Amino acid sequence: KQEVTQIPAALSVPEGENLVLNCSFTDSAIYNLQWFRQDPGKGLTSLLLIQSSQREQTSGRLNASLDKSSGRSTLYIAASQPGDSATYLCAVVGGSYIPTFGRGTSLIVHP
Amino acid sequence: SQTIHQWPATLVQPVGSPLSLECTVEGTSNPNLYWYRQAAGRGLQLLFYSVGIGQISSEVPQNLSASRPQDRQFILSSKKLLLSDSGFYLCAWSVLGEIEQYFGPGTRLTVT
Repeated sequence: KQEVTQIPAALSVPEGENLVLNCSFTDSAIYNLQWFRQDPGKGLTSLLLIQSSQREQTSGRLNASLDKSSGRSTLYIAASQPGDSATYLCAVVGGSYIPTFGRGTSLIVHP
Repeated sequence: SQTIHQWPATLVQPVGSPLSLECTVEGTSNPNLYWYRQAAGRGLQLLFYSVGIGQISSEVPQNLSASRPQDRQFILSSKKLLLSDSGFYLCAWSVLGEIEQYFGPGTRLTVT
């Protein structure tokens, strides 16, 4: 059974820092990995989707990498801003086509 | 463009009462549809998914059920709510044959 772990569970940083959020998964036979953002009391917003054949995806200040063999993905946030404060979740999809989510990293960026 | 709606946004129900949450998707056809529950400290749990009208797969046995009466409508129901059913319920969709998911705004359910 796939298990997804996100470290750290919570992070508080001053504005301007570059951040790395980690996601690890136990079964490397995945089709893709998706990073989401969730604001309090809201649904999930898709940030980046990495196919299993890809190594990374970039969108603006966000960069996500994938290392299938080691079962890891990182989400890099450059020059963090208070508006980046949210919970970030990763989800992996394997042979069942059903996503498995991590519990998320709660990020606070203070001015 | 595609949009996904959920209602109600919040709901407070007594233990033992019935439940019906609705999700609809606009701007696409034949979507895969999903119901998730997000409980405090427990992460996002997939409850049901559907690849077509009348086709429902259950991931977690419990007192909830799901139905898909129309192509873009997904309903989550319960005959008798339990305290443990409290949580944030999220509906999601994906393009048939693809995996990237898009989420609705969620329904906050509190069972008292």
